[in-house]
Amino acid sequence: GESVGLHLPTLSVQEGDNSIINCAYSNSASDYFIWYKQESGKGPQFIIDIRSNMDKRQGQRVTVLLNKTVKHLSLQIAATQPGDSAVYFCAEANAGKSTFGDGTTLTVKP
Amino acid sequence: ETGVTQTPRHLVMGMTNKKSLKCEQHLGHNAMYWYKQSAKKPLELMFVYNFKEQTENNSVPSRFSPECPNSSHLFLHLHTLQPEDSALYLCASSQDQRFFGGPTEAFFGQGTRLTVV
Repeated sequence: GESVGLHLPTLSVQEGDNSIINCAYSNSASDYFIWYKQESGKGPQFIIDIRSNMDKRQGQRVTVLLNKTVKHLSLQIAATQPGDSAVYFCAEANAGKSTFGDGTTLTVKP
Repeated sequence: ETGVTQTPRHLVMGMTNKKSLKCEQHLGHNAMYWYKQSAKKPLELMFVYNFKEQTENNSVPSRFSPECPNSSHLFLHLHTLQPEDSALYLCASSQDQRFFGGPTEAFFGQGTRLTVV
């Protein structure tokens, strides 16, 4: 069946370092992927998305990489800041269904 | 502020109570969603409404009853819940429903923290 998972449930980085959050998916037919950020006490917030016909997309301080060969998705955060501390979810969608991963808790140490 | 407002923020109810969760968006979106977020579990899609019509019911027990009177409002009516229904209930909206349950540019509310005692 479908599953979307993140490699690590927690990630701790030093302020100013780059962060990489990984996600593996199992449905090779997925055509759309999204990263969300959820801060404590808030709902998930859209960060960036990527379609399956792309392998890289950049936003402000964030980059999403898609490797369809190994069904792997990653979110890179440049110059991580304390405000980046949150739970990050990946999600994949395929013509009618989407699935969310478990989430990775990112902690930024000052 | 995402533009999606959920009330109440917190709710404690007994197993015999009847309560309702409310979601409101003034973003001009046509699709609205209910999700359940339990501790240590991924977000679970419950219901999808597109242009006020329910297009998805993800095998949700009948003790959860959604209502969408218009494109801006979504309710989740609760009755005879179980303790395992305690969770954060999230509402989301999107411009359209290009992807069931995985909307593009989704906007989530802050959720209602529900505790069933």
